[in-house]
Amino acid sequence: GDSVTQTEGQVALSEEDFLTIHCNYSASGYPALFWYVQYPGEGPQFLFRASRDKEKGSSRGFEATYNKEATSFHLQKASVQESDSAVYYCALSDFGGSGNKLIFGTGTLLSVKP
Amino acid sequence: GGIITQTPKFLIGQEGQKLTLKCQQNFNHDTMYWYRQDSGKGLRLIYYSITENDLQKGDLSEGYDASREKKSSFSLTVTSAQKNEMAVFLCASSIWGRDTQYFGPGTRLLVL
Repeated sequence: GDSVTQTEGQVALSEEDFLTIHCNYSASGYPALFWYVQYPGEGPQFLFRASRDKEKGSSRGFEATYNKEATSFHLQKASVQESDSAVYYCALSDFGGSGNKLIFGTGTLLSVKP
Repeated sequence: GGIITQTPKFLIGQEGQKLTLKCQQNFNHDTMYWYRQDSGKGLRLIYYSITENDLQKGDLSEGYDASREKKSSFSLTVTSAQKNEMAVFLCASSIWGRDTQYFGPGTRLLVL
């Protein structure tokens, strides 16, 4: 079945560092790709999505580009802040069968030191 | 905008107990979902309901029942709580046919 792989379980940075969180996917079709962010004690929040090859999604200074050839959707931010500390989830949409489902990666915990 | 409310926020149960979690949304969304979140395992789909009166099993439905009482509400029942179980249960909703889902704050379950 379809799957999402996030290779970094944890990332530790200092403020103003450049961020990359890697996301690779495996899918039989042509899924939409998502990034969600989850702050402590809250549910995941939708960050952005992309649905076509080479499409860039972005929000709040974060961005990722759909790369169909590399099956990737890596999250980047040029200069992180302490307030960006959270868990980040990559996901893909699975329209197989009935209804629309999301398949999530295992998440990456980002910790940013001031 | 809208909001998803989950009750209770925290739930402590005993082994073998039947436990019910509730979710309400005022987005007027057709489709609702229940996910289980375990540390290091991401989110796994338990049940979803495409429209009112519909119920679909996800990948993790064994040990759970669900009920879509009306368009705005979706309940999940743990049929027999497992000792030392600890997880967060997340409810989400989306517009029918659209893939972006919006999540509630979660119910944190601990079984003693």
